[in-house]
Amino acid sequence: QKEVEQDPGPLSVPEGAIVSLNCTYSNSAFQYFMWYRQYSRKGPELLMYTYSSGNKEDGRFTAQVDKSSKYISLFIRDSQPSDSATYLCAMGSSYKLIFGSGTRLLVRP
Amino acid sequence: DTGVSQDPRHKITKRGQNVTFRCDPISEHNRLYWYRQTLGQGPEFLTYFQNEAQLEKSRLLSDRFSAERPKGSFSTLEIQRTEQGDSAMYLCASSLRGVGTGELFFGEGSRLTVL
Repeated sequence: QKEVEQDPGPLSVPEGAIVSLNCTYSNSAFQYFMWYRQYSRKGPELLMYTYSSGNKEDGRFTAQVDKSSKYISLFIRDSQPSDSATYLCAMGSSYKLIFGSGTRLLVRP
Repeated sequence: DTGVSQDPRHKITKRGQNVTFRCDPISEHNRLYWYRQTLGQGPEFLTYFQNEAQLEKSRLLSDRFSAERPKGSFSTLEIQRTEQGDSAMYLCASSLRGVGTGELFFGEGSRLTVL
């Protein structure tokens, strides 16, 4: 079993929809959690960072961490075609990040 | 451009050849990381430098792989006697205060194709 599980998708939604992306993990030592966005053939771009449990909001993006359930989420409101990309969750407790396999998102105009 | 820079962006080589990738981190970032990403997977940690010291190497980094960071600036990742299984995107990332502060900025990657 992988340390971090992420549904690979693809997830296809109409423009304007609310998108929910999720990851589960097994290592209770993880302390910080990130979401990256990756366009095709590009490097990952940091979207959101949270430390420990709770919510964090940044514009149309909200990240949630539930350490008791070992579950993290990323919500995208008012999704746009430009949000079409692969979304990677990542987490760690030291200098090493463990990534999920990524969820492909397609936002249809 | 002040981001992480990687070169070359794409390398095609024949099995058995040696290849070298270069990474220039964001200036003043003393921490540098190499990750490998295969198709449909997330990046996997390979190695970590703080300044010029290589502090950890993943088990994924076989004896054919070597990474250096002379003088704590740019870094190189060399793969000797390449195999088809080495085909992947090699990502470099850098940070100033450490990953735990939410900082890990990736370059665009160097894509390796081994024929």
